[in-house]
Amino acid sequence: SYELTQPPSVSVSPGQTATITCSGDKLGDRYVCWYQQKPGQSPVLVIYQDKKRPSGIPERFSGSNSGNTATLTISGTQAMDEADYYCQAWDSSVVFGGGTKLTVL
Amino acid sequence: EVHLVESGGGLVQPGGSLRLSCAASGFTFSSYWMTWVRQAPGKGLEWVANIKQDGSEKYYVDSVKGRFTISRDNAKNSLYLQMNSLRAEDTAVYYCARDPHYSDTTGYFYYFDYWGQGTLVPVSS
Repeated sequence: SYELTQPPSVSVSPGQTATITCSGDKLGDRYVCWYQQKPGQSPVLVIYQDKKRPSGIPERFSGSNSGNTATLTISGTQAMDEADYYCQAWDSSVVFGGGTKLTVL
Repeated sequence: EVHLVESGGGLVQPGGSLRLSCAASGFTFSSYWMTWVRQAPGKGLEWVANIKQDGSEKYYVDSVKGRFTISRDNAKNSLYLQMNSLRAEDTAVYYCARDPHYSDTTGYFYYFDYWGQGTLVPVSS
């Protein structure tokens, strides 16, 4: 079965750029989306179709996907961005990455 | 505004059954696929099942095939998940989500754009 691999944790200082990766075999040939989940809350879609932002998602969130790696980039990271982030793709079924805990410190 | 509200969760014994519901509002329910996703305590997200707009196609993760049944009532704007033969490993928060996926010549565009607040299903004796 297809697997998506994310780093368990990423740390970033406020105002800096956070980069969260998602790796999978030929992932660049598929479309990837990203969800943000804060403690006790439901997931929120922040990026879909590799790089599109839903309405209401700040411009500091961006995405890319090439080769075997998709990347979620948060520019000018704010304290409110501290959350778990999950990538997701499709390979004959929906596949989620294991999630990355972003800490802003 | 899109709203999805799950209900029906609660403590159930192993081997027992439970029916989850998801009430949808703020969009044309009958125009969208719908999905169930679950999250075990302290764990990541796991897709469970989805259903086509008219209910004619249903898909499940292997671990629930033969035990769970997804269904919908477009007249009531409602999505359901009938869960039978529950196991401890089914313990999770269950979310319903709107599923606007589609495909074209370039691939499958799969994502879930609105989620409910979730309902907790603990399976324990």
